[in-house]
Amino acid sequence: KQEVTQIPAALSVPEGENLVLNCSFTDSAIYNLQWFRQDPGKGLTSLLLIQSSQREQTSGRLNASLDKSSGRSTLYIAASQPGDSATYLCAVRPNDYKLSFGAGTTVTVRA
Amino acid sequence: GAGVSQSPSNKVTEKGKDVELRCDPISGHTALYWYRQSLGQGLEFLIYFQGNSAPDKSGLPSDRFSAERTGGSVSTLTIQRTQQEDSAVYLCASSRSGGPSSTDTQYFGPGTRLTVL
Repeated sequence: KQEVTQIPAALSVPEGENLVLNCSFTDSAIYNLQWFRQDPGKGLTSLLLIQSSQREQTSGRLNASLDKSSGRSTLYIAASQPGDSATYLCAVRPNDYKLSFGAGTTVTVRA
Repeated sequence: GAGVSQSPSNKVTEKGKDVELRCDPISGHTALYWYRQSLGQGLEFLIYFQGNSAPDKSGLPSDRFSAERTGGSVSTLTIQRTQQEDSAVYLCASSRSGGPSSTDTQYFGPGTRLTVL
């Protein structure tokens, strides 16, 4: 069974600092890995999707890397802003359609 | 519509009552998924639809849970004889296609927060 772990569980940084969020998974047979953002009381917003054949994806201040062989992904958020405060979820899609989620990292960016 | 919508946004019910949760996927998306997010449990998969068929119901926690999809569009998740442990946020997602070979992004709705008293 695929298990997804996110470290740390919570993170608090001053505005302007770079954020590094880690995700690890136990089974490297995945189709893709997706990073989501969840705001309190809201659904999930997809941030980046990395296909299994890719090493990284970038969107604006966000960059996600994938090392499938070691079962790791890292989400980097450059120059954090208070609006980046949210819970960030990592999800892997094994060779079926179900997403397996980590428990998330709750980020607070202090102004 | 522009995104996945779910209704109601909040539902408070008494133990033992039945509830129905609705999901409207993005127009044209053939695949639809239900997930549950419980406090301290994270997100867990419940059921997957491809069109109106549900090839995988393995995540439904008990036979009190059922779901259907009609017209390849709207889906309803029904929970009978609700229990307090059913309290959670129920999230629906859709993707353009589904199945093992699909790599399409799953787009999530805002969820329905269910509270069973």
